[in-house]
Amino acid sequence: DAGVIQSPRHEVTEMGQEVTLRCKPISGHDYLFWYRQTMMRGLELLIYFNNNVPIDDSGMPEDRFSAKMPNASFSTLKIQPSEPRDSAVYFCASSPSATVGDTQYFGPGTRLTVL
Amino acid sequence: SQQGEEDPQALSIQEGENATMNCSYKTSINNLQWYRQNSGRGLVHLILIRSNEREKHSGRLRVTLDTSKKSSSLLITASRAADTASYFCATDSNDYKLSFGAGTTVTVRA
Repeated sequence: DAGVIQSPRHEVTEMGQEVTLRCKPISGHDYLFWYRQTMMRGLELLIYFNNNVPIDDSGMPEDRFSAKMPNASFSTLKIQPSEPRDSAVYFCASSPSATVGDTQYFGPGTRLTVL
Repeated sequence: SQQGEEDPQALSIQEGENATMNCSYKTSINNLQWYRQNSGRGLVHLILIRSNEREKHSGRLRVTLDTSKKSSSLLITASRAADTASYFCATDSNDYKLSFGAGTTVTVRA
């Protein structure tokens, strides 16, 4: 299995532009998670899906952020409009299990820089 | 919010030495996990210990869990240069969300 795939790996954009990050979870995994990692705040959970349905989006910082999962093999995280404070590494992770708190498999991340 | 807090923040050891790091958390848990993150990469799961377990081994890794003290430790024995990374503990609550600590950065000197 190729693992969790994220694209792009690096994104540099200007303030005000729309940014779309993409994730392909491991086949057969029912849970998908989006995280953001910064030096100041560490690793934060933004949103997670179960069977393509958003379950908890309480970590999404504001309305500029939105996430979708149109099917079991694809998810997007969109920031519109982007701001310099959104600069971070964004990780997608998936999990196969219905067991609470079980192992998550992380993608390589997208490093976003907003100028 | 971060429930787990690792200690120390950074650790530098000689190759072949053991590395020990600790994690403390605030609320009751079902499981506690340890992850490794190499520079510029995603997190990799190392080991999971359930709340009814006290100790677990995996290769050169040894994890302990003391639920009465709400703490866990990760021991890496006979460290290698490849063990240089950041190590995170992650705790769960009664849902599917994991809460990660700030991490311990381990540097193994050759």
